[in-house]
Amino acid sequence: GAVVSQHPSWVICKSGTSVKIECRSLDFQATTMFWYRQFPKQSLMLMATSNEGSKATYEQGVEKDKFLINHASLTLSTLTVTSAHPEDSSFYICSASQGGSYQETQYFGPGTRLLVL
Amino acid sequence: SQKIEQNSEALNIQEGKTATLTCNYTNYSPAYLQWYRQDPGRGPVFLLLIRENEKEKRKERLKVTFDTTLKQSLFHITASQPADSATYLCALDSNSGYALNFGKGTSLLVTP
Repeated sequence: GAVVSQHPSWVICKSGTSVKIECRSLDFQATTMFWYRQFPKQSLMLMATSNEGSKATYEQGVEKDKFLINHASLTLSTLTVTSAHPEDSSFYICSASQGGSYQETQYFGPGTRLLVL
Repeated sequence: SQKIEQNSEALNIQEGKTATLTCNYTNYSPAYLQWYRQDPGRGPVFLLLIRENEKEKRKERLKVTFDTTLKQSLFHITASQPADSATYLCALDSNSGYALNFGKGTSLLVTP
């Protein structure tokens, strides 16, 4: 149980285009989803926290107009990188929390590798 | 500022030995601490959670200790196997609800 999927697993795009990444909890309802970014040999850095039906909370230094997050249902959150540039190339990972007694534990998706040319 | 430190150098051990990884933190009073495993190009996988009022927790060949005085957690893998080779991440609760702050991780290589 507690499986999280991400789509696509990798994407290559031209500079200036927008890219949408989907994160789904497959067998549970996720009250909260998180988006992280990881650069090579670095730790996961939290970008934003997303609760279903409300606006995402962004971490300091993360541009909310550039990284659009939509948490439309209890099983789906999307991250859209708008007007992507080469410096946005990274490994984007989402996670989901079941809530209730298990809210501290997060289940991570397999990640999406983005390369902006 | 809050800081989480894990051994940056890779840990190489022989199969069958016990691997011990360290996580130190500063400027934190975490309610709990978690350990995750991450394989190359993959998302982290949850292993264990230990709360501030717990000293030790075990799960199969894994053991975690939590010393809130030393501000340190130790992660042990007994009878290590080559399949245990991965990067192990320490994570603490952040100020953002149940979001996590991660250390950089320690790479473990278990050789036959």
